[in-house]
Amino acid sequence: EDQVTQSPEALRLQEGESSSLNCSYTVSGLRGLFWYRQDPGKGPEFLFTLYSAGEEKEKERLKATLTKKESFLHITAPKPEDSATYLCAVMKTSYDKVIFGPGTSLSVIP
Amino acid sequence: EPEVTQTPSHQVTQMGQEVILRCVPISNHLYFYWYRQILGQKVEFLVSFYNNEISEKSEIFDDQFSVERPDGSNFTLKIRSTKLEDSAMYFCASSRDRTETQYFGPGTRLLVL
Repeated sequence: EDQVTQSPEALRLQEGESSSLNCSYTVSGLRGLFWYRQDPGKGPEFLFTLYSAGEEKEKERLKATLTKKESFLHITAPKPEDSATYLCAVMKTSYDKVIFGPGTSLSVIP
Repeated sequence: EPEVTQTPSHQVTQMGQEVILRCVPISNHLYFYWYRQILGQKVEFLVSFYNNEISEKSEIFDDQFSVERPDGSNFTLKIRSTKLEDSAMYFCASSRDRTETQYFGPGTRLLVL
């Protein structure tokens, strides 16, 4: 069965304390892996798309990487405004839908 | 920057009533989607729509749900007879192509009493 898991469920960091979020997936025929940020009561905001193992994307303090079984979202020197839930999602080659993981809730404390 | 918009932002309805949720996808996008998120749970796929027809739907998307693109800009989700368990955030998304990134709207919070 297709599955996307994320760890940790919640993460609390001091401002400037770098860390990584993990997304593990079990799907047959991965078309792409997506990272989104979701603020409370809002829609998912697109961050990155990764299509093949070894690919990396960067944006400001965030860097996403992809292997054949997992993806990492690295956060370097986070700021309080980075506090949000980070969602990982995968798309299979045979389907239109995106399968979401449960998310990691990140809190960055000043 | 173009974005997906949704109306209303909040909707309260009585059980058994019909509701229509509206979305305006990004203008040059061809694929449209509805997802829902029950409070505290994962975002779940409902349906995808391309070329004026449903291309894929989940087991959640039963006969009480329907989608329509009534004109060149709007995309709607209708729930014919709402149930308590339909209470959730409903997100519309769009993409240029089937293989490309899906961009999400801000959501409609539906509360069924």
